[in-house]
Amino acid sequence: QKEVEQDPGPLSVPEGAIVSLNCTYSNSAFQYFMWYRQYSRKGPELLMYTYSSGNKEDGRFTAQVDKSSKYISLFIRDSQPSDSATYLCAMRGGGTSYGKLTFGQGTILTVHP
Amino acid sequence: EAQVTQNPRYLITVTGKKLTVTCSQNMNHEYMSWYRQDPGLGLRQIYYSMNVEVTDKGDVPEGYKVSRKEKRNFPLILESPSPNQTSLYFCASSNLGLAADTQYFGPGTRLTVL
Repeated sequence: QKEVEQDPGPLSVPEGAIVSLNCTYSNSAFQYFMWYRQYSRKGPELLMYTYSSGNKEDGRFTAQVDKSSKYISLFIRDSQPSDSATYLCAMRGGGTSYGKLTFGQGTILTVHP
Repeated sequence: EAQVTQNPRYLITVTGKKLTVTCSQNMNHEYMSWYRQDPGLGLRQIYYSMNVEVTDKGDVPEGYKVSRKEKRNFPLILESPSPNQTSLYFCASSNLGLAADTQYFGPGTRLTVL
């Protein structure tokens, strides 16, 4: 079983829809949770970062972490065609595990006009 | 311009022929890391380095070597490449501390091993 599971999709939504992307994980030592966005033929770029449980909002994007359920989510409101990309969740532990980063498989999202 | 550069961007080679993929960053970052990306598997960490002369294994280190002799450079070495190392490789760097998760990724190196 993978440490981090992410539905690869693909996910196709109309412009303006609310998008929900999710990851589950098995390692209870994970403390730092991230969402990266990757456009075609590019390297990933950090979208959202959350430490421990809770919500974080940045414009149209909201990241949620539920450590009790080992579940993280990314919500995109009023989705735009420019949001079409692959979204990767990532997480890491603390202490001696700080340098080790584990990614999900990535979800391919297409927002059509 | 702040950036992570990788060379080469594309490489086709044959089984067993040693190769090095270079990675360089100009942001004075302590942390650097190598990943491979394969369809359906996402990004998997190969090796990472917390600072000069400090390297550690990620999830898939077999068949790879790294070194960190200077802060800006973190080359990935394949001593005897095999076809299962055909992949898209990314180098990344970041500061340590709370900003550590803002990793800056290079443009990627597409490697094909025949």
